[in-house]
Amino acid sequence: AQSVAQPEDQVNVAEGNPLTVKCTYSVSGNPYLFWYVQYPNRGLQFLLKYITGDNLVKGSYGFEAEFNKSQTSFHLKKPSALVSDSALYFCAVRGLNSWGKFQFGAGTQVVVTP
Amino acid sequence: GAGVSQTPSNKVTEKGKYVELRCDPISGHTALYWYRQSLGQGPEFLIYFQGTGAADDSGLPNDRFFAVRPEGSVSTLKIQRTERGDSAVYLCASSPGQGATGDTQYFGPGTRLTVL
Repeated sequence: AQSVAQPEDQVNVAEGNPLTVKCTYSVSGNPYLFWYVQYPNRGLQFLLKYITGDNLVKGSYGFEAEFNKSQTSFHLKKPSALVSDSALYFCAVRGLNSWGKFQFGAGTQVVVTP
Repeated sequence: GAGVSQTPSNKVTEKGKYVELRCDPISGHTALYWYRQSLGQGPEFLIYFQGTGAADDSGLPNDRFFAVRPEGSVSTLKIQRTERGDSAVYLCASSPGQGATGDTQYFGPGTRLTVL
């Protein structure tokens, strides 16, 4: 079985400050990890993914995520948050032998204040 | 190019009725996915297709739910004898299906289903 936990329902950050959105996972074997963002009244958009290789993955809109195998985590980060980053963020995982079957977290609402 | 489209955007039906939800994927994408998203939750996997065949339908909650993709492009999610608990946003996504970006999904805007 595979699972994803996003321990924070909401993260509040001031514009210009660093942003971190947490994600931990459980999966058999090597994980394939993803982050998606959902803006109001819009579909989910892909941000970045980890397959193998470098533990630090860079994605769209200045976001990056760090894979930590020992902690089974894949936290999303941005060095300097913008008000326009306010949105709902989802972490997702699938196993090596589960191509196409993704488990999404419950989501974390990010609120960036001016 | 055009993204993933879903019709209708909203569907209101009565308990016990039959509904069909349609998904038009990005042209050329061989993989297509259906999810259900309830309020305050992440997308819940229902089924995914590679081409015309359902590669994994383990997420369909019961035999009232069925999905087809007869020509490997458009897909229809069918729900029989709808129940109030089926009310949710149904999301469709597609992905190239192969290569390094094969499973990078592009989502449609969803169909909001309300069962009265």
